[in-house]
Amino acid sequence: SQQGEEDPQALSIQEGENATMNCSYKTSINNLQWYRQNSGRGLVHLILIRSNEREKHSGRLRVTLDTSKKSSSLLITASRAADTASYFCAPYMYSGGGADGLTFGKGTHLIIQP
Amino acid sequence: ETGVTQTPRHLVMGMTNKKSLKCEQHLGHNAMYWYKQSAKKPLELMFVYSLEERVENNSVPSRFSPECPNSSHLFLHLHTLQPEDSALYLCASSPRAGYSGANVLTFGAGSRLTVL
Repeated sequence: SQQGEEDPQALSIQEGENATMNCSYKTSINNLQWYRQNSGRGLVHLILIRSNEREKHSGRLRVTLDTSKKSSSLLITASRAADTASYFCAPYMYSGGGADGLTFGKGTHLIIQP
Repeated sequence: ETGVTQTPRHLVMGMTNKKSLKCEQHLGHNAMYWYKQSAKKPLELMFVYSLEERVENNSVPSRFSPECPNSSHLFLHLHTLQPEDSALYLCASSPRAGYSGANVLTFGAGSRLTVL
């Protein structure tokens, strides 16, 4: 599977502000997923958006997908200190095999200042 | 807990030691994965198992030896490691991609390995 590239690499905002991070990828996809990783822990799946969807919401998360630009964005509204983490996107194209490992970039490291 | 349990959480070993990392999932998933996460580098996909069969091995040195005895357990056997192998090793599982085409991964908390 292909690797997404997250941008910016680091983002620091005040608590209560919105945080936006972007993901770009290179080839066609079936879906794109976003994951969060708290320091020193495993990744946690946040949201999946399929290639035929343009926008998806989950709580304070809003994800958009533009397949023509091969890009996605993750918006976290009303940020909280607990949102401090690294965020990764994973573009995915089903290869027909039984299992495909997702490939992750370096992520966006988000810091929420109190 | 996510349903994927990794042990030990921390491991310190010398370069001549032999140790193993263990991963166990109780989610009924059929695919399991090992990832390596080093500082300042993207996660590296090491091995993929589907129904206990290794389907992917991304040019990982032979000092890392995976074993998947059944769909619930995955091991990473370590021997004669190098200091640069110090990293967070993450295990993940997923339903077989062919079932839904979505391939959402559930990760364990990781095993922090330090090689002296």
